[in-house]
Amino acid sequence: QVQLVESGGGVVQPGTSLRVSCAASGFTFSSFVMHWVRQAPGKGLEWVALISYDGDNTYYADSVKGRFTISRDNSRNTLYLQLNSLRAEDTAVYFCAREYPLSGFDYWGQGTLVTVSS
Amino acid sequence: QSVLTQPPSTSGTPGQRVTISCSGSSSNIGGNYIYWYQQLPGTAPKLLIYRDNERPSGVPGRFSGSKSGTSGSLAISGLRSEDEGDYYCSAWDDSLSGWVFGGGTKLTVL
Repeated sequence: QVQLVESGGGVVQPGTSLRVSCAASGFTFSSFVMHWVRQAPGKGLEWVALISYDGDNTYYADSVKGRFTISRDNSRNTLYLQLNSLRAEDTAVYFCAREYPLSGFDYWGQGTLVTVSS
Repeated sequence: QSVLTQPPSTSGTPGQRVTISCSGSSSNIGGNYIYWYQQLPGTAPKLLIYRDNERPSGVPGRFSGSKSGTSGSLAISGLRSEDEGDYYCSAWDDSLSGWVFGGGTKLTVL
């Protein structure tokens, strides 16, 4: 069964960095495009970034471009999101999600909460 | 301000049919598939409709999707109390080179 398990969230100060991870199992991780989607407390979903199956191509939302970096380690079946220069508005639950070709985000993790506060 | 526009809320009584609209533009819904996600309280989003009107296995036939031009809609028939939650539309946006979501619609079953 497909499982996506995020980790690494926590409380950090503005301007600092954090890396969150997503451990994948139950499918051939290296064959799928992967995404990060976030949800601020009480707010809607916001797409953050995607990475191609081989890691060669990445895309970012304008709100995080230049500050966040998505990466993957296919040997470890793990997806990462490096969050730099964090701001209060980055406070959110960060979900990882698998994209099935032309079929949307078919599996989601449970999310990890990142709180940016002084 | 979301790129895709949804009504903030809707409601219905058990057994009723409700629809949720999603309005976009030629760079997103008008030229790409629309997807719908259901998020029940305290849980992760779940894929409900893909490629405008297809249902993943396990999603009841009470849920259906449609699209016309730059707008789409999600219909839920035979409304049940367990359908109460938030519903989001999404599409790839060619101009932004990224995925966009609607602001979400909170469904209340009265």
